[in-house]
Amino acid sequence: EVQLVESGGGLIQPGGSLRLSCVASGFTFSSYEMNWVRQAPGKGLEWVSYISDSGSTVYYADSVKGRFTISRDNAKHSLYLQMNTLRAEDTAVYYCAREDHPRYSFYDFWGLGTLVTVSS
Amino acid sequence: DIQMTQSPSSLSASLGDRVTIACRASQSSSTLLNWYQQKPGKAPKVLIYGASNLHSGVPSRFTGAGSGTDFTLTISSLQPEDFATYYCQHSFARTFGQGTKVEIK
Repeated sequence: EVQLVESGGGLIQPGGSLRLSCVASGFTFSSYEMNWVRQAPGKGLEWVSYISDSGSTVYYADSVKGRFTISRDNAKHSLYLQMNTLRAEDTAVYYCAREDHPRYSFYDFWGLGTLVTVSS
Repeated sequence: DIQMTQSPSSLSASLGDRVTIACRASQSSSTLLNWYQQKPGKAPKVLIYGASNLHSGVPSRFTGAGSGTDFTLTISSLQPEDFATYYCQHSFARTFGQGTKVEIK
C-alpha cells in the first residue's frame, strides 16, 4: 500500500525556518518525481515545488523561490522541504504528493499533510 | 506564467443533477489538464488526467473534455459523495485553478 507521511510542521515565528519531511512506503520511491503542495486555511491548492526522481531537477513557485529548498534522500525514501525566512502567508497545510505519468504529471497519491503556522 | 481560472467558484445542485465545471487556461495547453476532488479535511484525489482520461477507480459519471484553453468537468448524475471542491491543474505548469465548491441545494 502506497503511503506518504509528512512531519515537521508546527508554530514558527515570522523570519524563522522549518524543515518538513515526507516518508514514503509501498512503492519504489527512487522511481518517482515528487512535489509539495500547500493549502492555506480555507483557501485553494497551491503548488509549491517539484523534484525529479534523481533529485537533479527542481522547480519552485515564484512565491517561495529563493526561500524554500526541496530535496530527497532515495536511500531513506524521504522527501524534504527546507523553509527559510517564513512569512505569515506561508501558513498552510503542506502536502507531499507523488507525481505519475510522463506527460500528464498528475498527483496520484498524497499524504495527509502537516500544518505550518507562521505567527508571532 | 500560466494561470488557470475556474467557473463558477461555487454552485448548488440537487442529487441526480448534471453538473458542469469550467476551467480556462491563460495559454493554449493542448490536453495538459488534470482534475481533482477534495473533501473537507482530506487530501485531494485525482479524477481526470490528460483532460479526458478517467483515473483508475473513478466512477464513470465523471467526464472531462476540452483542449487548448477551455476545459470542462461534468458529473452526469450528482451523488451524495460528490459534494466537494473540485480543482483543475495544468500538467506542465502545475498551477491549480481556484476551485469550485459543489454544495447541496
